[in-house]
Amino acid sequence: SAVISQKPSRDICQRGTSLTIQCQVDSQVTMMFWYRQQPGQSLTLIATANQGSEATYESGFVIDKFPISRPNLTFSTLTVSNMSPEDSSIYLCSVGHGIDTGELFFGEGSRLTVL
Amino acid sequence: AQTVTQSQPEMSVQEAETVTLSCTYDTSESDYYLFWYKQPPSRQMILVIRQEAYKQQNATENRFSVNFQKAAKSFSLKISDSQLGDAAMYFCAYRSVGGAQKLVFGQGTRLTINP
Repeated sequence: SAVISQKPSRDICQRGTSLTIQCQVDSQVTMMFWYRQQPGQSLTLIATANQGSEATYESGFVIDKFPISRPNLTFSTLTVSNMSPEDSSIYLCSVGHGIDTGELFFGEGSRLTVL
Repeated sequence: AQTVTQSQPEMSVQEAETVTLSCTYDTSESDYYLFWYKQPPSRQMILVIRQEAYKQQNATENRFSVNFQKAAKSFSLKISDSQLGDAAMYFCAYRSVGGAQKLVFGQGTRLTINP
């Protein structure tokens, strides 16, 4: 298993500002992902965070809006840039080990409210 | 691309009774993983049960079991002896074997347990 810590747990932000969410894992992991969960909705993958290289973004998500860093195998950040009320969501970090057990582990999520 | 469909937005069950949550998926792959995740109000995504597509035997975890019908692309979750702590959102998810380990989620089913 993996213990995943996300910061902040929740925040209230003003329109037009940016916020960076941190994801710290207690062990080295191969795969790290960022998901978005809009109110009352399911989880949608934003991107795969690649260690030492640019993240791989899913359709509909771009680097300018959601820049991601992953400097090592235990840490990643997601920035939500130039926020609007439509960005109000829960953002979840998810990790997978190199051993292909199939399971992904999730952090508790960061709930952002944009006013 | 793979898709996952949960046709029951909400379900309710009496405490100690049995409930079945439905999930169907679409894929052209022959080998993959299927999961049920639980998301209580705390937002933490918790793995309930996992099924490898190459295994014919249905997975079981204590009170939780699945009915995996590969030809029909169906993957239902049965919860026996329902407990108040089972109340949560339940998400069915699909993952390819190898390659990117990203999960594709269904829309979710909100399960209420009536005392």
